[in-house]
Amino acid sequence: AQRVTQPEKLLSVFKGAPVELKCNYSYSGSPELFWYVQYSRQRLQLLLRHISRESIKGFTADLNKGETSFHLKKPFAQEEDSAMYYCALFSNDYKLSFGAGTTVTVRA
Amino acid sequence: DAGITQSPRHKVTETGTPVTLRCHQTENHRYMYWYRQDPGHGLRLIHYSYGVKDTDKGEVSDGYSVSRSKTEDFLLTLESATSSQTSVYFCAISEGPGGTGELFFGEGSRLTVL
Repeated sequence: AQRVTQPEKLLSVFKGAPVELKCNYSYSGSPELFWYVQYSRQRLQLLLRHISRESIKGFTADLNKGETSFHLKKPFAQEEDSAMYYCALFSNDYKLSFGAGTTVTVRA
Repeated sequence: DAGITQSPRHKVTETGTPVTLRCHQTENHRYMYWYRQDPGHGLRLIHYSYGVKDTDKGEVSDGYSVSRSKTEDFLLTLESATSSQTSVYFCAISEGPGGTGELFFGEGSRLTVL
């Protein structure tokens, strides 16, 4: 069975500092990984997916199959990045499995 | 926002009573999901549907049942609510099939079981 692990429940950084959210996964198939974000009083929404290899709102994430990781990074955090972030794995039975989430607080 | 609404948005009920949460979509998406969100556990899949009358269990399906009699509605029923089912419930939809991974979420339904 697939599993997604986000080891940090809370992450606090200063504005302008780099931020990295860790995500590790276990899955026997070829993984499709995503980051979802939930801003205060907004719906949970897709932030980025590994297959698109794009940068969204300054965030990037690289799939490392050797380390089974998909860490989310941003070089310069902004106050509007404060949110709950979920790493998720899509399996071939159409299920999206989420990690426990990391709450990010960006301080001025 | 994708056309997805959940009702009720808030509910307080007593242990042992039945509860039904409704998810309604206007996107004509094939796949629909029910998740529960709990601190320390993130979102956990309860049940999902891959078409009308086609449903399957997720990782925390005990105590829950679902029905999907038409494309736009996906109902989650707690036959006899327990305090452990106090949670925030999210419905999600996906155009699918597998490989897209992009789910669109409702605003959530907060259920408190006393």
